[in-house]
Amino acid sequence: QEQLVQSGGGVVQPGGSLRLSCAASGFIFNIYGMHWVRQAPGKGLEWVALISYDDNYKYYGDSVKGRFTISRDNSRNTVYLQMNSVRPEDTAVYFCAKDSDTGSYPRYFTSWGQGTLVTVSS
Amino acid sequence: DIQLTQSPSSLSASVGDRVTITCRASQDITRYLNWYQQKPGKAPKLLIHDASHLETGVPSRFSGSGSGTEFTFIISALQPEDTATYYCQQYHDVVLTFGGGTRVELK
Repeated sequence: QEQLVQSGGGVVQPGGSLRLSCAASGFIFNIYGMHWVRQAPGKGLEWVALISYDDNYKYYGDSVKGRFTISRDNSRNTVYLQMNSVRPEDTAVYFCAKDSDTGSYPRYFTSWGQGTLVTVSS
Repeated sequence: DIQLTQSPSSLSASVGDRVTITCRASQDITRYLNWYQQKPGKAPKLLIHDASHLETGVPSRFSGSGSGTEFTFIISALQPEDTATYYCQQYHDVVLTFGGGTRVELK
């Protein structure tokens, strides 16, 4: 059974940094693209970033480009989201999600993590 | 970025009712349109991909149709467990976008 278990998150001050992790199991991690998607409190879904299976392609949403970095460690079956220069508007539940394909081009999300809350506040 | 406009933003229906949600794209996205269900406090769940392909294990009362800029999601006979928020999502562009969501409640 496919499973994505997230860790990290919490409260961070504006301008600070935080790293989220997502550990995968139950599928062959190194052949799938992986995403991060977020949801501000009471709001809809916003796609954040995608990394391809081989780390050759990375795509970002406009609101996080230049501040967030997605990465993966296929030896650990884990995907990361490094969040730098965070802003209050980055406050959200962050989900990791598995792409339906290699991630060379984004498609859709077939499995999701449980979500982790990031609160940006002084 | 491609904008997706869902309507209605919320609806109330009775058990057994047919429920229809529309998703309109700001430009032609062919059939690169997916639908998700999200229950409160939970991660979304993929229901339909590529406009009309039902994900494995999803009940057949859920269906999708459309192409180009207009798409429809239907629950043929609403069940109590279908109360949730439904989102469309496009992948015609590398910047993925979601519709604003439709909250479905029981009357």
